[in-house]
Amino acid sequence: AQSVTQLGSHVSVSEGALVLLRCNYSSSVPPYLFWYVQYPNQGLQLLLKYTTGATLVKGINGFEAEFKKSETSFHLTKPSAHMSDAAEYFCAVSETGGFKTIFGAGTRLFVKA
Amino acid sequence: GAVVSQHPSRVICKSGTSVKIECRSLDFQATTMFWYRQFPKQSLMLMATSNEGSKATYEQGVEKDKFLINHASLTLSTLTVTSAHPEDSSFYICSAILPLTSGGTETQYFGPGTRLLVL
Repeated sequence: AQSVTQLGSHVSVSEGALVLLRCNYSSSVPPYLFWYVQYPNQGLQLLLKYTTGATLVKGINGFEAEFKKSETSFHLTKPSAHMSDAAEYFCAVSETGGFKTIFGAGTRLFVKA
Repeated sequence: GAVVSQHPSRVICKSGTSVKIECRSLDFQATTMFWYRQFPKQSLMLMATSNEGSKATYEQGVEKDKFLINHASLTLSTLTVTSAHPEDSSFYICSAILPLTSGGTETQYFGPGTRLLVL
């Protein structure tokens, strides 16, 4: 069985500060990992995904995440937060690259001016 | 990029009535679509896998007779909430799988969601 744990339901940063959203996963087979962003009353937008190959994955809007197998982690980072980054972020895992995706509980990011 | 639409975006209905939600893949054919529900301030929970031309596969705890799924074409899946009750009020999100492309992997695209309120 697969599972995803997002550490911290709320994260608050100042504009221009580093964003770090933590995600740990559990999977019995090599996982595919995803980060999605959700703005209020909207669907999900894919930020980035890891399938195979390079463990440092770059996504849209300046976000990136690093797959660390030894730590079973896939933390999301952005060097400098922008007000428009305020949203809900979901880490997700899948065994088959998009099928039957299991989502974490989500982390709400607040960006202070 | 690929687009998935949902209709309606918001619906309010009376308790006991049925509501149909449509999910369409606008510029690609999707043999597989998924239906999720999301309660306020919570994560997405997979309800069922919708397969074109065959019966949907429901996750444990999801009543298949209450949440009817029909995937009649490669671009349309529908979710019907039958005899809706206030506890069915939720945000329903569908997704569609963009098939493998040359050298690539399947990609899941999400619809914008449908807010259901049952009075």
